Amino acid sequence: QSALTQPASVSGSPGQSITISCTGTSSDVGGYNYVSWYQQHPGKAPKLMIYDVSNRPSGVSNRFSASKSGNTASLTISGLQAEDEADYYCSSYTSSSTLVFGTGTKVTVL
Amino acid sequence: QVQLVQSGAEVKKPGASVKVSCKASGYTFTSYYMHWVRQAPGQGPEWMGIINPSGGSTSYAQKFQGRVTMTRDTSTSTVYMELRNLRSEDTAVYYCARVRQSAHVFPVDYWGQGTLVTVSS
Repeated sequence: QSALTQPASVSGSPGQSITISCTGTSSDVGGYNYVSWYQQHPGKAPKLMIYDVSNRPSGVSNRFSASKSGNTASLTISGLQAEDEADYYCSSYTSSSTLVFGTGTKVTVL
Repeated sequence: QVQLVQSGAEVKKPGASVKVSCKASGYTFTSYYMHWVRQAPGQGPEWMGIINPSGGSTSYAQKFQGRVTMTRDTSTSTVYMELRNLRSEDTAVYYCARVRQSAHVFPVDYWGQGTLVTVSS
């Protein structure tokens, strides 16, 4: 199972919006509404930000939103803040009943 | 509150085995699937497998089939991950991670603090 494809880096100024893409196949992202997004700060465990394509767990800022179209999922961070600087990973359930993670995107707040 | 506390860092020689533990508290242990995910230095997370703490059934990533065993001890609310025949590429932080909802296998929500396993001769 190949990792889902994400851009290596995305940057934006405070207050701006950025979007991170996550491209898979019809056997994972495109086949199920089980896409999640994780935020990871250096030396920390990943934190769930989005699940089931577009749902936010309680406590996650509504500045984080997500969607899916075909084999590509997207995470948007609006009103970018310094604390949003981190690595972001998508994840999807697959047709093999396994999980696959994305290659990761480093978000830099300029 | 949900807590997953993992065992400490390990240093192993190539060819050896490692067994990492993950003690759960703050919820009904047998009601939530547990995943194991590893992350090599500078890399993204990599899914290793899942265990159902209720019956002990497991499913492993094909990459680790034959080298990994996941078990649980319901008396201590602890899950274990053993990886055998270690090689340098297995150097990584290993996480246990609980699913968000009972009886669901996805997504993972609560994570242990991670256990660094270093494989070096």
